[in-house]
Amino acid sequence: DGGITQSPKYLFRKEGQNVTLSCEQNLNHDAMYWYRQDPGQGLRLIYYSQIVNDFQKGDIAEGYSVSREKKESFPLTVTSAQKNPTAFYLCASRPHSGRTNQPQHFGDGTRLSIL
Amino acid sequence: DQQVKQNSPSLSVQEGRISILNCDYTNSMFDYFLWYKKYPAEGPTFLISISSIKDKNEDGRFTVFLNKSAKHLSLHIVPSQPGDSAVYFCAATSSDNAGNMLTFGGGTRLMVKP
Repeated sequence: DGGITQSPKYLFRKEGQNVTLSCEQNLNHDAMYWYRQDPGQGLRLIYYSQIVNDFQKGDIAEGYSVSREKKESFPLTVTSAQKNPTAFYLCASRPHSGRTNQPQHFGDGTRLSIL
Repeated sequence: DQQVKQNSPSLSVQEGRISILNCDYTNSMFDYFLWYKKYPAEGPTFLISISSIKDKNEDGRFTVFLNKSAKHLSLHIVPSQPGDSAVYFCAATSSDNAGNMLTFGGGTRLMVKP
């Protein structure tokens, strides 16, 4: 059954630590995205990748890093430089990069909390 | 500068009636619009989309209307069901946006009362 898997569902981090959120998809999608959602707000783009070994900053990339070594995987690292990391993080993917009329599909998210 | 706005944070509707969710945008380059539905602690689920070459798109109980001159779109759900209770996000993108980056509104919480 194809889909986007984000793990873990809940994650706790001590201040000053880096933490990596996993995102895996078996949909053979080219493009992948990371968003952040804060309470009562919409989704804001952190990073995106259209092909393997290439990624671009979104609107709020500061304090985050990503890699795209495999088509299926797009992990997000929340570094200690991110001043307010507590949020709900959503990963998405899309079938064909460059074609507009294809919706993004989302995983079920990871909620990150600071201890 | 919010390019996509959903001015109603919440909406309450009786079961069986019509739900109308609204969305306004400011960027005239947007030419593809989407609606997503989100339950708590889950990812958004794609509902319906519309291209700027159309003014209406229908899928079962869901219809999206686009008014390009007013830069306004709306999602109609009829008849509304209790299972429709969720947060609805509208999103927009442009065809010259090679990364298909979506710009989201802040969401509207729909509550359908039995």
